Amino acid sequence: GGIITQTPKFLIGQEGQKLTLKCQQNFNHDTMYWYRQDSGKGLRLIYYSITENDLQKGDLSEGYDASREKKSSFSLTVTSAQKNEMAVFLCASSIPRLGSSYEQYFGPGTRLTVL
Amino acid sequence: QQKVQQSPESLSVPEGGMASLNCTSSDRNFQYFWWYRQHSGEGPKALMSIFSDGDKKEGRFTAHLNKASLHVSLHIRDSQPSDSALYFCAASERGTGANTGKLTFGHGTILRVHP
Repeated sequence: GGIITQTPKFLIGQEGQKLTLKCQQNFNHDTMYWYRQDSGKGLRLIYYSITENDLQKGDLSEGYDASREKKSSFSLTVTSAQKNEMAVFLCASSIPRLGSSYEQYFGPGTRLTVL
Repeated sequence: QQKVQQSPESLSVPEGGMASLNCTSSDRNFQYFWWYRQHSGEGPKALMSIFSDGDKKEGRFTAHLNKASLHVSLHIRDSQPSDSALYFCAASERGTGANTGKLTFGHGTILRVHP
């Protein structure tokens, strides 16, 4: 089995600050994802990457940047944190299959608070 | 409009009872459906997938898919307190969506199983 590690577990920032969240996976999966989870709103896709150095925007990419430095790691940057922003950011990975759909494996999340 | 809608928002069932969760899609491109479960403080974990019309049973869990109405349901028999969690329905498109493994999530149903 494999594991997805997200750091930090808790992140507290100031309004306007640039904040970076990191994700590592040892499944050797090709595709990685960043989601934002707000209470009552489910999971919304921010960015995804189907291979090293690839980046694709999701539905919620405005205000965020991402970087896929190598196959095992995927970083997300909040470019200018908004006051009272509180959400959990979830990283996931999967091996997509042609003509089908494959399970996504999630990390435990980074909980962001902006003061 | 939310492309994947779940009902009810929350559900309480007695231990040993049956829990029924519903999910409807408004996008006919969605062909592959998943149920994910998230316990408090953890990332979501895939419970089961269903890609064909009809029922799919895995232990105490049964999923049902009706592609004509784009309705999928999850039934949990003999519910246990450990089943208390947030349940997400997720869907992916055939073609490009399936190749990337990209999923669209509903807002979730909170299930509470009381002793």
